[in-house]
Parts: sequence; structure tokens; C-alpha cells
Amino acid sequence: DVQLTQSPSFLSASVGDRVTITCRASQGIDNYLAWYQQKPGKAPSLLISSASTLQSGVPSRFSGSGSGTDFILTISSLQPEDFATYYCQQLHSYPCSFGQGTKLEIK
Amino acid sequence: QVQLVQSGAEVKKPGSSVKVSCKVSGGTLNNHAINWVRQAPGQGLEWMGGIIPIFGKRNYAQRFQGRFTITADESTSTAYMEMHSLTSEDTAVYYCARGTASDWLLFLNWGQGTLVTVSS
Repeated sequence: DVQLTQSPSFLSASVGDRVTITCRASQGIDNYLAWYQQKPGKAPSLLISSASTLQSGVPSRFSGSGSGTDFILTISSLQPEDFATYYCQQLHSYPCSFGQGTKLEIK
Repeated sequence: QVQLVQSGAEVKKPGSSVKVSCKVSGGTLNNHAINWVRQAPGQGLEWMGGIIPIFGKRNYAQRFQGRFTITADESTSTAYMEMHSLTSEDTAVYYCARGTASDWLLFLNWGQGTLVTVSS
């Protein structure tokens, strides 16, 4: 099974900051990686697919990169609505798996 | 606009079973996978399994095989998940999530979640 490790698990930042979240896979998964945002009490929401493809309606301040085993989610200028928990997900092979999450908090 | 609407919260006794429904409106089940993902209180996301109704194909995470079943009724565009032999560790929010037509594991649409509480 593919294991995903996100870092950091917790991130404290201010509005306007640029932040990066990394996701490392235990084996190569090409670009079969997605990123989700989850706010408290809500279902996750898909941000990025295929490691770098922004979903329709997602602000351009979000971007993704990487291939193989190492991936990055970048938020270029944090907005108040971006404070949430972020998860990576691998779709390369069954069982699909998620990273443990990165909680982004207001500093 | 595709929407997934799940059944309401459940409280169950240890050892019992639970069945949760997920109705798709604004779309069909046919060539899309319906997956189930759970989230224990304060924890991350865990994929449990999925069904591709058009092929009648199911995939389950190893740890749930044997006590977890996914079914689908295409006539009502409703998918179901049923879990048996519940323990307190099964207390979680259970989400259904619809895969895209091209990638069955890419979860574009999610249900609102169903809280299942297992307590004596």
C-alpha cells in the first residue's frame, strides 16, 4: 500500500503569507495526486488533481507541483477563508490513501 | 449540479450493524464510482471502499473486508454502505464521494456526511 506523509502537520501563518505543504509518497505515483481542503464540520473539497491541475472555481493563489514521490501545495497569499485542513490523496493504486492532514491556523 | 444527499445520523450499540444511504441527484451512478470515506473524531480521512455500478465492481480496503458492504440501486441513483459488528472505534463521520467519469478515485462530489456513533 502507498503511504503518504504530509509536513508539517500544523502550520501557523498570517493573512498574506505564502505557505507550502509537502506530501511524500512511499513509492512513485507519477502525478496521481490530488489535494483537498476541509473546513470544520464540512466535507472535503477538491482543489487540485493530477498534482497540478486547478479545479474550476478554485482561486489561482492555490498551485500544486511535483511528480513521483514528492509533491507540494502552495498558497501564494493566504486569505482568511484559507484557514482549514489540507489533505493529499494518491489515486495511483488501490487502496487509495490520504495523507494525515495539515491544519493551517491563523497566527 | 450533482448533489449527494446522505441519510441521517445513527446511534448504534456495539455488535450491531448500520446502513447508510447516499442519493445522487443531478446525475447518475452509471459510469461513476461511489466511494465511502470515513473520518473518526479529530482524525484524518480514510478510504473504505467503492463501487462502480455499471461494471458491478467493488473494491474494499483490506481492513474493512468481511464486515463492510457497498451496494447500489441504479433505478433510484442511490448507493448504500453497510457495516456489521460495530465497535466504538467505528464512531465516525461517513462520507460518500463520487468519482469523476475519467477517474473513479478523484472525489469531485461529496455527501454531507453521516455521523455514526457506536455506544453502549
